[in-house]
Amino acid sequence: GQSLEQPSEVTAVEGAIVQINCTYQTSGFYGLSWYQQHDGGAPTFLSYNGLDGLEETGRFSSFLSRSDSYGYLLLQELQMKDSASYFCAVRANKFYFGSGTKLNVKP
Amino acid sequence: EAQVTQNPRYLITVTGKKLTVTCSQNMNHEYMSWYRQDPGLGLRQIYYSMNVEVTDKGDVPEGYKVSRKEKRNFPLILESPSPNQTSLYFCVSVGSYNEQFFGPGTRLTVL
Repeated sequence: GQSLEQPSEVTAVEGAIVQINCTYQTSGFYGLSWYQQHDGGAPTFLSYNGLDGLEETGRFSSFLSRSDSYGYLLLQELQMKDSASYFCAVRANKFYFGSGTKLNVKP
Repeated sequence: EAQVTQNPRYLITVTGKKLTVTCSQNMNHEYMSWYRQDPGLGLRQIYYSMNVEVTDKGDVPEGYKVSRKEKRNFPLILESPSPNQTSLYFCVSVGSYNEQFFGPGTRLTVL
């Protein structure tokens, strides 16, 4: 079957760097993507990794290692507005989401 | 503006009263899907469609129907809603780089 594991909650201070890990088990893997969801809002797309390596988009970077079935989202220079839930998602024959990581950014 | 729209945004209904949640996208995407989001259970896929007239079950299809008669629209139908279908529903349109664009969500309460 399909499974994705990510930490349920992470806390960090403003200005710091935080890494949210995601491990997955799936067949027919195409790629790993990340989404941000603020309370009361809809998830928004952050990044997609179809190949191994690091993708950088501003303060956010995402990494994938297909051989390790592992990826992470790296958030730098944390801001209060980054407090949200972050989901990893696998594209296989269809899409599967992790259960989400709640990031708390403290002043 | 590229977007996914859903209607209604909020709905309170009673058990057994058929309802439809509409979804439309203006990005000419072929792949669309529906998710429900429940506390502690995350996002679970209900149905997906990879093209017009092609639909497939996701992980939790029971009690739901969909149709894809045209590329831009993908309505979700609850023929006989029950209280366990109380949830937050998202329609999604998928871009060519596998990015999923979410609609604003429909919060459904079934009494």
